[in-house]
Formats: sequence, structure tokens, C-alpha cells
Amino acid sequence: AQSVTQLGSHVSVSEGALVLLRCNYSSSVPPYLFWYVQYPNQGLQLLLKYTSAATLVKGINGFEAEFKKSETSFHLTKPSAHMSDAAEYFCAVSKGAQKLVFGQGTRLTINP
Amino acid sequence: DAGVIQSPRHEVTEMGQEVTLRCKPISGHDYLFWYRQTMMRGLELLIYFNNNVPIDDSGMPEDRFSAKMPNASFSTLKIQPSEPRDSAVYFCASSLARGQGVNTGELFFGEGSRLTVL
Repeated sequence: AQSVTQLGSHVSVSEGALVLLRCNYSSSVPPYLFWYVQYPNQGLQLLLKYTSAATLVKGINGFEAEFKKSETSFHLTKPSAHMSDAAEYFCAVSKGAQKLVFGQGTRLTINP
Repeated sequence: DAGVIQSPRHEVTEMGQEVTLRCKPISGHDYLFWYRQTMMRGLELLIYFNNNVPIDDSGMPEDRFSAKMPNASFSTLKIQPSEPRDSAVYFCASSLARGQGVNTGELFFGEGSRLTVL
């Protein structure tokens, strides 16, 4: 069965610094991959998605992710962190079936 | 267009009471999902429907949980009787079937129903 592993349950960066959130997937065939963001007391919002088109995917709020089949990774990056980026981030995978399987989440803290 | 609407946003109840959570999916979406979020277990898929028919309920924790979707615009998740370990945030999400064009199956989430069972 497909799954995702997010490395690091908590990441802390300074404002203006690079954000890197790691996600590795397990799938026997090319999957659909997603990053979602959850702000406090809210539902999840889609940041970006990989659907086997371009391997570098650009999302909202300056985030992007690169699909690397050789590494089975789909890490999320942003060149310069902003205070408003503080939230919890979830990587998710789906293959075949419509349902998404989510990782455990990474809480991003931005230090002033 | 309105997003996924869930009610109530907050529910506090006592152990043994029945709890009903409600969800209105985005109009036109043909998939509906119920997820539960806790600190310990993260996001767990409980059940999902396609065209109002339950497809996979393997995530429903036990017989105390039941879900229905009587029509395309309404679903309920019921817990009877409730227990303190059911305390969590319950999310409803909807999506369009993955297919040609832009429909890639991404989920659109409601804001969640926070349940506290005392």
C-alpha cells in the first residue's frame, strides 16, 4: 500500500531563511502527491500537487516541491520564510484509489 | 462557491451520549470523506463515499461509529455511545473524481468539528 513519511515532526527556521520540509513516499507506481497546509483551528488547504507532468511543481504562497523518483521524495521548499508560514504541513499520496493517505505532519515554526 | 460546510464547529458532550456531526460537500463533488485528527494518530481516514455509496469504511474504529450519505449534499457521522477517547477533530472533505483535465482528486476540507467527550 502507498504511504508517505515526513521526516521531522517539528521544523524551526528564522524569518527569511530557507524552508525545507521532507517527504518520502512508498509506491510501486508513479503516484499523485500533494502538500497541504493547516493553519490553527482550520481545515487543510492544498498547497500544491504532482500529477506526473512537470517534476518541479509550484504552489501557492511561494512554495514549490520537486518530485524525485530515484529518491522517492517530494520535498517542499520555500526560499525565504515569512512569519505567516507558521503552520502544520502534510504530505499526502494517492494511487489508483481516490483516497489520500497523509503523513504525520510537520509543524513549522518561524523565528523572528 | 461555498466550500465544505461542517457543523457543529465545537461539541462538548458527556460519555455515553450520542453525537452527530454533519457535512455539506461542495456542490457537484462526487466523493465525500470523513477524517479524524488527533495528536497521537494524526489524520485517519474513517470512511469515504462515491455518489452517496460507502466505498471503504475500514477506518471506522468500531461499531459505535456510523456514517450515512442520504443524498449528494449531506452526510452525517454518528457516534453512539460516545467515549472520551473519541475526542478529536473530525474533518469532512469532498472531491471530484480523478480524470481528464484538471481533476486530479485533490480533497477540499471543511473547517472541522472539534469533539470533546467528558
